[in-house]
Amino acid sequence: AQKVTQAQTEISVVEKEDVTLDCVYETRDTTYYLFWYKQPPSGELVFLIRRNSFDEQNEISGRYSWNFQKSTSSFNFTITASQVVDSAVYFCALYYNQGGKLIFGQGTELSVKP
Amino acid sequence: EAGVAQSPRYKIIEKRQSVAFWCNPISGHATLYWYQQILGQGPKLLIQFQNNGVVDDSQLPKDRFSAERLKGVDSTLKIQPAKLEDSAVYLCASSARENTEAFFGQGTRLTVV
Repeated sequence: AQKVTQAQTEISVVEKEDVTLDCVYETRDTTYYLFWYKQPPSGELVFLIRRNSFDEQNEISGRYSWNFQKSTSSFNFTITASQVVDSAVYFCALYYNQGGKLIFGQGTELSVKP
Repeated sequence: EAGVAQSPRYKIIEKRQSVAFWCNPISGHATLYWYQQILGQGPKLLIQFQNNGVVDDSQLPKDRFSAERLKGVDSTLKIQPAKLEDSAVYLCASSARENTEAFFGQGTRLTVV
């Protein structure tokens, strides 16, 4: 079965703390794509990153970084020096070729307090 | 470049009534998705189009929900008749190809009373 699990329902941190959001996926496909999206209080899902299954290089974009490990089927997202504006719900998603579907995890609500 | 447009933004209807949502994807995007997002949950895929053909509609409650994508561009999602449990945000998204990033509209918040 194809599945995305975000075990952390809610995380609360104080501004400037680092925080890691976990994502574990299941798929039998050898070719697949992983995504992270941010959903601020306004409600619109905002694309953050896309990774294909053949590229395990970690990526850094400003305060954001992503750790992709096929051995543990994980695609974790770290925010360094968090800010209040990072408060949102974050979703991990999986696109798998067999059936060609884009499915989402349940989301992690991040609250960054000043 | 214009984003994904959805209308209406909000809709309140009584149970057993009908409702339709409209989506205009990003120009040139072949893949179009409709998702249902119930409060506190992740988006659930209802139907996925590739151009004007259906790729997946396995989670679409076909006894009451229908969707079409005419000419491979705009799409409409209809609910007839609505139930209380249909209260949710309905999100439309499009992507250039099936495995590329999907861009989302602002959604339609449906309340069934």
